[in-house]
Amino acid sequence: ETGVTQTPRHLVMGMTNKKSLKCEQHLGHNAMYWYKQSAKKPLELMFVYSLEERVENNSVPSRFSPECPNSSHLFLHLHTLQPEDSALYLCASSQVAGGPDEQFFGPGTRLTVL
Amino acid sequence: AQSVAQPEDQVNVAEGNPLTVKCTYSVSGNPYLFWYVQYPNRGLQFLLKYITGDNLVKGSYGFEAEFNKSQTSFHLKKPSALVSDSALYFCAVRDIAGFSGGYNKLIFGAGTRLAVHP
Repeated sequence: ETGVTQTPRHLVMGMTNKKSLKCEQHLGHNAMYWYKQSAKKPLELMFVYSLEERVENNSVPSRFSPECPNSSHLFLHLHTLQPEDSALYLCASSQVAGGPDEQFFGPGTRLTVL
Repeated sequence: AQSVAQPEDQVNVAEGNPLTVKCTYSVSGNPYLFWYVQYPNRGLQFLLKYITGDNLVKGSYGFEAEFNKSQTSFHLKKPSALVSDSALYFCAVRDIAGFSGGYNKLIFGAGTRLAVHP
């Protein structure tokens, strides 16, 4: 793996549930990202954090709530999701946000909303 | 506006043959360009990037890519394909000039599935 871990790897939840996705990076990076990957669609950037400050919210519905308590941890809190939110959610990190360096991705959480 | 296109949904190659996965981009200024690979049930793995300098960039697992400014392309290549290269490949672009006032997004293509047959 690349130094970015995500838990859980799989999650099934009902539309009324509340759950959280966790991401941890062990690379000493200052920027962290949430992406949504749906079948046959390009990767969608959801949120960007730089030094624990949110610098981008890419028009994501409020039923997704990110939290970045420190530069190594990133959470995505989920509540009252819809079936169309079922997707692979990927976390990534990089040294800085918006620069020339590559992003390192975690293995993803496969989310199914019933 | 930034955009990246991967014109082929799937590329089929026989093992041992050369492979090319195509990518074209559109940015207002000079680009940062990246290739990533995704194996089943895994996240994206970085392969290589072009920032500046030599137009031919060498990366992981024997892959290379050629930056062509006049054709706005950044095609991924490998001289001899392996069955284990079968995966989903993503091209991505960031506009250097775009980093002003807010986050400078990395834009991904839709992906190209590479199938290498024995």
